[in-house]
Amino acid sequence: DVKVTQSSRYLVKRTGEKVFLECVQDMDHENMFWYRQDPGLGLRLIYFSYDVKMKEKGDIPEGYSVSREKKERFSLILESASTNQTSMYLCASSQVGVTEAFFGQGTRLTVV
Amino acid sequence: DAKTTQPTSMDCAEGRAANLPCNHSTISGNEYVYWYRQIHSQGPQYIIHGLKNNETNEMASLIITEDRKSSTLILPHATLRDTAVYYCIVRGYNAGNMLTFGGGTRLMVKP
Repeated sequence: DVKVTQSSRYLVKRTGEKVFLECVQDMDHENMFWYRQDPGLGLRLIYFSYDVKMKEKGDIPEGYSVSREKKERFSLILESASTNQTSMYLCASSQVGVTEAFFGQGTRLTVV
Repeated sequence: DAKTTQPTSMDCAEGRAANLPCNHSTISGNEYVYWYRQIHSQGPQYIIHGLKNNETNEMASLIITEDRKSSTLILPHATLRDTAVYYCIVRGYNAGNMLTFGGGTRLMVKP
């Protein structure tokens, strides 16, 4: 069974903390994605990676960075968490080409 | 990637067919039409995709117009569990193509 696993389902962090959200896929996919989802704003792409050490900015990269040192793992980093980064974060992966993307269950991050 | 336009919300009676439209008038020749859905509190789930021919799988059918500027996702016998937000996405198949979501259609299946 294919799987995209996000390290935490719920997370509470303090303003100013450095936060790591981890995502691991077991399907040997080249592409990996990070989204955030907020009520009324839908799913917005933060960053995209199409290979190890490669990354592209999505629609809302400000305040975030990413790391992809290994093919199966894609990390989203909040260098200094702020309350406006309270959101649901979703990770996804897919092969290159005409294929479906698989999503994790999401991490609900609250910054207080 | 081309943008899409979908109605914000739709209702459907349980057991009836749900027809969800999508406009993608700026679609280019190498872009496919994908449909995903997101049930509350879960990650999005792939449903179906197509290029120019109609497609059918165990979940749904996808009808793409001849000019490829619009498509319709059909759930033939909607159930209460089909209540979700449905996203229509157009995306190329090259390595660097991102996967971006629009607002989607909130489908409410009613008893």
